This record gives sequence, C-alpha cells and structure tokens, in this order.
Amino acid sequence: QQQVKQSPQSLIVQKGGISIINCAYENTAFDYFPWYQQFPGKGPALLIAIRPDVSEKKEGRFTISFNKSAKQFSLHIMDSQPGDSATYFCAASMGNFNKFYFGSGTKLNVKP
Amino acid sequence: DSGVTQTPKHLITATGQRVTLRCSPRSGDLSVYWYQQSLDQGLQFLIHYYNGEERAKGNILERFSAQQFPDLHSELNLSSLELGDSALYFCASSVGVPGELFFGEGSRLTVL
Repeated sequence: QQQVKQSPQSLIVQKGGISIINCAYENTAFDYFPWYQQFPGKGPALLIAIRPDVSEKKEGRFTISFNKSAKQFSLHIMDSQPGDSATYFCAASMGNFNKFYFGSGTKLNVKP
Repeated sequence: DSGVTQTPKHLITATGQRVTLRCSPRSGDLSVYWYQQSLDQGLQFLIHYYNGEERAKGNILERFSAQQFPDLHSELNLSSLELGDSALYFCASSVGVPGELFFGEGSRLTVL
C-alpha cells in the first residue's frame, strides 16, 4: 500500500510557466512533508518542507500548499526555468523520523 | 556534494551472488537510511539505523540485511541476487531533527 500518492507522473511546462505537482496521503500521523529534487545521476536533495500547522510555505520560486482536511499537499514552481527540469518527489514522515515515505516521483521538463 | 559517500558506484554481478554496498554518512550524522529506486520507480524505504541501532524496517526482503558500525558507516548486504534486484540503492544520512535527509549518489546494481 502506497503511503503517499503523487501526480502527475510527468509534466511539461514552458519556460516562465507554473509547474504544479500534487501529493495525497492517508496517515494522519504524518507531520512532516518534504519535497526532494533529483537530477540525473544524483541523489535527491531537499528542496522545501512543511509541517501541518501552516497552510503554505514559500522559498523563492518554490511554494508548498498544504490542505490538512483533504490530506493533500502540492508543490508550485513559479516562473519555471529549464534548470528546474528534474524529478521531484514528495514525502511524508512522522515526528520520530524513523521512516520517510516517498511518492513515485514527477519528471518535470521545462521547455525553453 | 551532500557529504554522504556510497561505494561502489556501479556493480554488475550474476544471479545467486552476494554483494555488499557501503555508505559513509555525513560527519556527525547518526541516522542512516537505505532506499531502493528501481527504473522509473519511486524511492522504496528499506531500513533505518540510528547510532548503531535498527530503528525501522520497510519492505526489505529477507535476503537483504544491513548494519551500522561503531564508526557510523553502514553496509547493505544483498544475497541470492535475482534479476529484479537490479536497481539504484541510495543511502541517506540525517542528524535526526529536523529530519532533512542527505542522499549519496547511489550504488547502481545490475544483476545479469
């Protein structure tokens, strides 16, 4: 059973556009929701993370929107750039950080 | 560079064989996580060690085992290898709180 469901599987966006990736979870015990960015040949790297006590967190062009009642969270990339082309993973964990459950990934291609 | 070192980077072996993957965490990080990433798949959690002690297990096969040594490096042992074990194996380390994972560049295992 997949703990975190991610969509879409792939996404093509024009340069300057907005990229939106969505994730959903079932376990209400999750209280830490990070997004990771992975470039080919590299390991994933933390992009931005949120806790459920806030509905939105913004860091530069990257924003996480969190809907606790719907058990959904999403990543918005504003003014998408070709350098943002990568695979993005959402994840969820409980406070003890013993396990991180990752979504299946979204391959983003930003066209110049 | 995340500071997490994984060796070997590439490994080709035959079915039925046994291999050992090694991970050196970032200096000071007590937690080591192992993940499996198959082709076009997400990151499947295998196991988590904290300061030498197993903290959590995911869908890790009985043919797989891991340990964390007193110097905090970790090894993932894969035995009786099958074709389906071909994947990228990632190690990640963390100081624990607030939970950011630092991933190595992975060990690509090919079973022929």
